[in-house]
Amino acid sequence: GESVGLHLPTLSVQEGDNSIINCAYSNSASDYFIWYKQESGKGPQFIIDIRSNMDKRQGQRVTVLLNKTVKHLSLQIAATQPGDSAVYFCAESLNQAGTALIFGKGTTLSVSS
Amino acid sequence: NAGVTQTPKFRILKIGQSMTLQCTQDMNHNYMYWYRQDPGMGLKLIYYSVGAGITDKGEVPNGYNVSRSTTEDFPLRLELAAPSQTSVYFCASRGRDFSSYEQYFGPGTRLTVT
Repeated sequence: GESVGLHLPTLSVQEGDNSIINCAYSNSASDYFIWYKQESGKGPQFIIDIRSNMDKRQGQRVTVLLNKTVKHLSLQIAATQPGDSAVYFCAESLNQAGTALIFGKGTTLSVSS
Repeated sequence: NAGVTQTPKFRILKIGQSMTLQCTQDMNHNYMYWYRQDPGMGLKLIYYSVGAGITDKGEVPNGYNVSRSTTEDFPLRLELAAPSQTSVYFCASRGRDFSSYEQYFGPGTRLTVT
């Protein structure tokens, strides 16, 4: 079965709000996590990643938080824009060599203006 | 760089037919991957390769075959197409940078088997 999953299949926000997308994982040995964005009809695009020796990592308007105690990962998007509307996937590394990634089901983010 | 390219973009197959999905990357990446994505679902790993001449099974390899004779190309072969193989197929690649396991994805091939 899947070891990576997301709490909510859909999330609707207003433009300008902050969005939080959650992900739970079951493999406590996982040491690398990554978030992807997939727009309709396109391949996934990298957003941000984090290793298990970190609790937080920031990018441009995005922050990933990792809570290893409860095996939870979240993606925060600041000042959400209509262009952020997409499906968001978290994934974890299959092994410590990063040979492959295992993806969760995804959360659809809808941003209304 | 073109990145990861996939052909064809769309294909309709009859049950029992065979086809090869092509994938090429021009980034000199060692690692290449094939995923399938069913409607409303995440990506499932079919096969992957860590370098020319080396391939390995992923989560859902049954009904598929791959080969990796060059660094650039990683074709996916369907021998006897079945309706359960109707899906969108994505190819991806990754370099050897171990500070990040980011994979770069192609635009996908939408396959329908009827």
